[in-house]
Amino acid sequence: DAGVIQSPRHEVTEMGQEVTLRCKPISGHNSLFWYRQTMMRGLELLIYFNNNVPIDDSGMPEDRFSAKMPNASFSTLKIQPSEPRDSAVYFCASSQGQGSVEQYFGPGTRLTVT
Amino acid sequence: AQSVTQLGSHVSVSEGALVLLRCNYSSSVPPYLFWYVQYPNQGLQLLLKYTTGATLVKGINGFEAEFKKSETSFHLTKPSAHMSDAAEYFCAVSVPSGGYNKLIFGAGTRLAVHP
Repeated sequence: DAGVIQSPRHEVTEMGQEVTLRCKPISGHNSLFWYRQTMMRGLELLIYFNNNVPIDDSGMPEDRFSAKMPNASFSTLKIQPSEPRDSAVYFCASSQGQGSVEQYFGPGTRLTVT
Repeated sequence: AQSVTQLGSHVSVSEGALVLLRCNYSSSVPPYLFWYVQYPNQGLQLLLKYTTGATLVKGINGFEAEFKKSETSFHLTKPSAHMSDAAEYFCAVSVPSGGYNKLIFGAGTRLAVHP
């Protein structure tokens, strides 16, 4: 069974450009999480979806960040415009239900903004 | 507020030696606790978890952890380190938040294993 799939694995872009990160959760999982990992701040939850609906977006750093989940098998995290301080590894994770405690992580997207 | 503290950002052991990675948590409710491992350039993989029941939990790759409520600790151990255990390890606590279970992560401990 495939795990959480993220694309691209690496992204290098220039400041000011739009960046879109993609995630396919595990089939049958209806909860999806986006995290950001940096040396300074560690792992931070950005947004949580349940049944394709954003439930908690309190971790989204600012309006430049947006996330969507148009269906149960696909989510995007968009940064527009990107800035060098957005450079980080972005992880997507999924779990089986709103009450589930175990999350399964994707391999991450390493974003570098120059 | 719930939090996780991992003592020691870097731990170095010899191959074959005991591995001990420390984790203390604060939680206002009975906690669910996790250890995740992250190998270089990879995502986080669940090592083990404590939800209820037996306080000594066994995980993959020979790791285990013991939940000690009186000490608010969930330390990770392995009797004999392998070179392949070199990775970053994260302790996490799951807390109810607005109708779902939110994972709060510690800062991580990087384990180095030398010959």
